Amino acid sequence: GENVEQHPSTLSVQEGDSAVIKCTYSDSASNYFPWYKQELGKGPQLIIDIRSNVGEKKDQRIAVTLNKTAKHFSLHITETQPEDSAVYFCAYKDSSASKIIFGSGTRLSIRP
Amino acid sequence: KAGVTQTPRYLIKTRGQQVTLSCSPISGHRSVSWYQQTPGQGLQFLFEYFSETQRNKGNFPGRFSGRQFSNSRSEMNVSTLELGDSALYLCASSMDSSSYNEQFFGPGTRLTVL
Repeated sequence: GENVEQHPSTLSVQEGDSAVIKCTYSDSASNYFPWYKQELGKGPQLIIDIRSNVGEKKDQRIAVTLNKTAKHFSLHITETQPEDSAVYFCAYKDSSASKIIFGSGTRLSIRP
Repeated sequence: KAGVTQTPRYLIKTRGQQVTLSCSPISGHRSVSWYQQTPGQGLQFLFEYFSETQRNKGNFPGRFSGRQFSNSRSEMNVSTLELGDSALYLCASSMDSSSYNEQFFGPGTRLTVL
């Protein structure tokens, strides 16, 4: 079935520290895994994505890892800054359709 | 390049009314998807349109419908509104329907049903 579990639901880290959000999905045929950041009053913004032919992708302070065997993928944010505070959603694209299945979200707060 | 635009941004309706929301995708994008976001259910897929045809549909009642025009702009309609339809309705556009294409979201329309 369509399901993606996301943990934790809330995360508070000291500015400058790292944050990690983890997700587990159910559709073994899925091959596209985007991550979105949603700020208050805005729509989700794509921040990074990974395709099933790679295990890791990095973009400045953000990295995503994918373990297709275990059906796990994670978002890593290093050197966190106040502007990283937002709700983050993991997601995957349903293999039989073009819809995106979203996790329940992680509210990340950066403590000054 | 302009992003995805949605109108109106805010809307207040009463139970039993109907509402139409509009979405203009990024220029050159031919696929438009709609999602409903609520605190309790999170982000849920409503439907996707590509080249004026509905390609996929989520698990929502028939009161929720949509269409796409030849210029790729899309509208969604909700008839006989219920209190539970209060939500943020998000539109996302992508180049096409393939598995790898990124979806870019608009700011959403905040619908409140009284």
